[in-house]
Amino acid sequence: GQSLEQPSEVTAVEGAIVQINCTYQTSGFYGLSWYQQHDGGAPTFLSYNALDGLEETGRFSSFLSRSDSYGYLLLQELQMKDSASYFCAVRERNSGGYQKVTFGTGTKLQVIP
Amino acid sequence: NAGVTQTPKFQVLKTGQSMTLQCAQDMNHNSMYWYRQDPGMGLRLIYYSASEGTTDKGEVPNGYNVSRLNKREFSLRLESAAPSQTSVYFCASSEVGGGNEKLFFGSGTQLSVL
Repeated sequence: GQSLEQPSEVTAVEGAIVQINCTYQTSGFYGLSWYQQHDGGAPTFLSYNALDGLEETGRFSSFLSRSDSYGYLLLQELQMKDSASYFCAVRERNSGGYQKVTFGTGTKLQVIP
Repeated sequence: NAGVTQTPKFQVLKTGQSMTLQCAQDMNHNSMYWYRQDPGMGLRLIYYSASEGTTDKGEVPNGYNVSRLNKREFSLRLESAAPSQTSVYFCASSEVGGGNEKLFFGSGTQLSVL
């Protein structure tokens, strides 16, 4: 089985940096992903970490520590358009050896002027 | 390139009615997924198909059935709809391995069961 925990809401100021944490408990762990979802829209992929360390993609970075079952998403130079929900998701192996992806409950980020 | 296509976009059912949500992807992906999302909640996995010919239960499979018709198509059926199944349903697909673990989502189906 699995569970993921992330904060439900975060508020940050335009231009600032915000970090959204995610802890997980799962067996057969492959990697941790992050997705962004604007109200009324579908989730869109941001990043994926399979190995420990930091992955950087423009203003967004994602970090993973497999030994701590912990990751975070870092958003820099926040813009108003970054106001959205952010989900961490684990890719894991099921008992039959197949991979599946399960999501956390999401963090609603509000960027204020 | 259409990506992942879901139909219908909206549906209203009466309790006890049945319906099938259709999903098709044109990216030649092996894995396909069905999720539901309730207000203020994350995405909960209903069923998934790691490859053509296989399907597995996710976190919330009760009240649903799926069919992986071929590599492109993965349908979700509600045999006897209940108000608790009112939700937004998302289909997704992905490749596996080689660092291509990105999920591509359809635009969603908003389902109301009265």
